[in-house]
Amino acid sequence: AQSVTQPDIHITVSEGASLELRCNYSYGATPYLFWYVQSPGQGLQLLLKYFSGDTLVQGIKGFEAEFKRSQSSFNLRKPSVHWSDAAEYFCAVGARGNTDKLIFGTGTRLQVFP
Amino acid sequence: EAQVTQNPRYLITVTGKKLTVTCSQNMNHEYMSWYRQDPGLGLRQIYYSMNVEATDKGDVPEGYKVSRKEKRNFPLILESPSPNQTSLYFCASSWGGRTDTQYFGPGTRLTVL
Repeated sequence: AQSVTQPDIHITVSEGASLELRCNYSYGATPYLFWYVQSPGQGLQLLLKYFSGDTLVQGIKGFEAEFKRSQSSFNLRKPSVHWSDAAEYFCAVGARGNTDKLIFGTGTRLQVFP
Repeated sequence: EAQVTQNPRYLITVTGKKLTVTCSQNMNHEYMSWYRQDPGLGLRQIYYSMNVEATDKGDVPEGYKVSRKEKRNFPLILESPSPNQTSLYFCASSWGGRTDTQYFGPGTRLTVL
């Protein structure tokens, strides 16, 4: 069965600084990988996803993520954080095959200081 | 406007009193799903549906029921709520399942006393 770990519960950065949020997964093959963002009081919104092909994936709001098979990781990055990026970020893993389960990580809360 | 709506947004109830949380989407999506979000546990899938009259269990289905009689609606039913079902619930929909972009509703915060 697949699983996903987000090691950082809470991260604080200054506005304009770079950001990297970590995501590690466990799965026997290459899974489907996603990053979602949840703004306060809102539902989740998809930032980006990886299925196959180019391991560097571009998403919305200036985010990108890189799939590294050797490290079982799918870290989310942004070169310059804006105050509006303060939110909770979830990595999710979907198994390939005929099941439709999607496993979410426990989330990383991002705080941005001016 | 394309959206997923949930009602109610907030609900406080007592143990054993049956309740239904409604979910409706206006995007003609085939796939709908329910999640619960708990601190430190992230989102966990309760049930999902690939199409009308087709529902399947997610990771935490105990104590919940769902139905999919129409494509647009996917209600979550708690026949006999218990305090451990106090949580934040999200409904989501997509065109073709988990691998497609899922659109989430605003959430329903449920408290069971």
